[in-house]
This record gives sequence, structure tokens and C-alpha cells, in this order.
Amino acid sequence: AQSVTQPDIHITVSEGASLELRCNYSYGATPYLFWYVQSPGQGLQLLLKYFSGDTLVQGIKGFEAEFKRSQSSFNLRKPSVHWSDAAEYFCAVGRNYNTDKLIFGTGTRLQVFP
Amino acid sequence: SQTIHQWPATLVQPVGSPLSLECTVEGTSNPNLYWYRQAAGRGLQLLFYSVGIGQISSEVPQNLSASRPQDRQFILSSKKLLLSDSGFYLCAWSVGDSYNEQFFGPGTRLTVL
Repeated sequence: AQSVTQPDIHITVSEGASLELRCNYSYGATPYLFWYVQSPGQGLQLLLKYFSGDTLVQGIKGFEAEFKRSQSSFNLRKPSVHWSDAAEYFCAVGRNYNTDKLIFGTGTRLQVFP
Repeated sequence: SQTIHQWPATLVQPVGSPLSLECTVEGTSNPNLYWYRQAAGRGLQLLFYSVGIGQISSEVPQNLSASRPQDRQFILSSKKLLLSDSGFYLCAWSVGDSYNEQFFGPGTRLTVL
């Protein structure tokens, strides 16, 4: 069965430190991959996406993610975290031609200390 | 540009009362539409999706129902709310071009007392 795993429920970093959020997926074919961010009480905003091509993708707010087929991973990175990055981050996968359904991970809550 | 609206933003309802949450999308035609629930501290659970008017698929058995009376309108309903229906409800849409990218609304916070 298809699944997405975000092994880190909660991560705390200091402002200015680098960040990596992990995402592993189980899928029969090469999936479409997404990272979304959710601020408290808000909807989800798309950070970046991977469909094909270059395995290192750039997103908004200085985030990037790398698709590694051999590791079934799509980890999110940022070289220097800002206090405003504190939020919940969701990884999602999908490749359904009829419904566009996505499978979401359980999320990683990022806390940033000044 | 496309926009998605949800209302109300917050709702407090007693157990056993009915529910109607509305979601509308502007700026696109024939979108796929989705209802998700997010319980406190939990991930997103897909409740319903729709690929067209009157076409509703349910993902999990529950106390809720969904309807799509118009192309860009998606409604989440219940006849009698349960305590366990409390949560944050998110509506989303996609263009249906198979790239799976979904765009989310601002959400509705439902508290059942």
C-alpha cells in the first residue's frame, strides 16, 4: 500500500541554523511529491513540488528538496531558518490520473528558538 | 487567478445538532474537490472527494456526508453532530490534469460541545 512517513514529529532549531525535514514514501512508481506548510489555524500552502527532471527542486521561502529514488526520500532543507518558519510541515505523494488524490504524512512541527 | 473560500471560519455546535460547511472555488472550471479533517495534533484525513457535479466518493465511514450541487461548490454536512466530529476542516481543489497538485482553503474550526 502507498504510504508516506515523516519520522520526526517535532523538531526544534535555533534561528539561523540549517534544517532538514525527512520524508520517506512507499509507492509503486515514481510519484509526484509535494511539501506543504501550515501555520497555526491556517490552511496549507504549497512550498515546492517534484514531477520529473532535476531531482533538486527549489521552492518558496528559501526551501529546497531533493528526490532520491534509491532511498525513496524527498527531504526538505533550508540553509538558515528564520523565526517565521515555525509551522507544521507536511509531505505528500500522489500519482492518480483520475482523482489527483494525495497521501499525506502525519506532519513535522518545527519550533524555532531565537 | 483562482481562489478558494470556506465558511464559516469557526463554528461551535452542540452534540446532536446539524452541520453545513461550505466551500467554493473561483477562477477555474470543473475542479476536483476534497474535504479533509485535521484532528488536534494529527495529520490530514481525506473524508470525501469529487471529480464532478453530483459525484462524491467517501474515503472513510463516518457521520458526515458531502454534496456538490454546483461545479465549484462543495458542501460538508451532518444531520447529528458527535463530539468526535470536532476538528479543523479543510477544503481543497485541483485542476484535474493528473499532476495531483492541490490548493487549500483557509479551513473551518469546528468545536462540538
